[in-house]
Amino acid sequence: DSGVTQTPKHLITATGQRVTLRCSPRSGDLSVYWYQQSLDQGLQFLIQYYNGEERAKGNILERFSAQQFPDLHSELNLSSLELGDSALYFCASSVVGTGRDIQYFGAGTRLSVL
Amino acid sequence: GNSVTQMEGPVTLSEEAFLTINCTYTATGYPSLFWYVQYPGEGLQLLLKATKADDKGSNKGFEATYRKETTSFHLEKGSVQVSDSAVYFCALPYSGNTPLVFGKGTRLSVIA
Repeated sequence: DSGVTQTPKHLITATGQRVTLRCSPRSGDLSVYWYQQSLDQGLQFLIQYYNGEERAKGNILERFSAQQFPDLHSELNLSSLELGDSALYFCASSVVGTGRDIQYFGAGTRLSVL
Repeated sequence: GNSVTQMEGPVTLSEEAFLTINCTYTATGYPSLFWYVQYPGEGLQLLLKATKADDKGSNKGFEATYRKETTSFHLEKGSVQVSDSAVYFCALPYSGNTPLVFGKGTRLSVIA
């Protein structure tokens, strides 16, 4: 058990809808990362937060947004969903969010857009 | 930014065979290098890391040496087990202290 909790485990929705994925980091970790894993694109970094502030942005679509709350949990919001958004979404956390940090991953949320 | 290239899979080996998964990187400076493993139905977890040139990371019988001359961080294990079946990812920071960039992953299947 990595200590990172993601909910829900599975999500099935329709095109055009909006969903929210939730992540609780390991106790004591200040940085949260979101990744998208798909068969054709591999593991893509979406966005990183550190202590409530956005720290780095990767290949995140404008239809997607995220935030980290004062209790350090994070949410990833996906809107106007398309078939191509179907993927595994992982959250990871680390202590301070530097390049030397070990990232601890949650078990992921599998999103299916029908 | 930094980048990583790892060998394409899938790799299928018999139990007790020797494993090498190649990983080469392009980087400015000497970033930390990582191998992560993803077991079926799970998230990624750190397998090993190395923080400077000539460092050897090791864990669970796996080893990788940070080689700056060849810009490589190949993963090796002398005798694989069925339980090693997983996807292996090589990774390094995109630049400086930014988040990791991962290779495409190499799927390993070990058969008894």
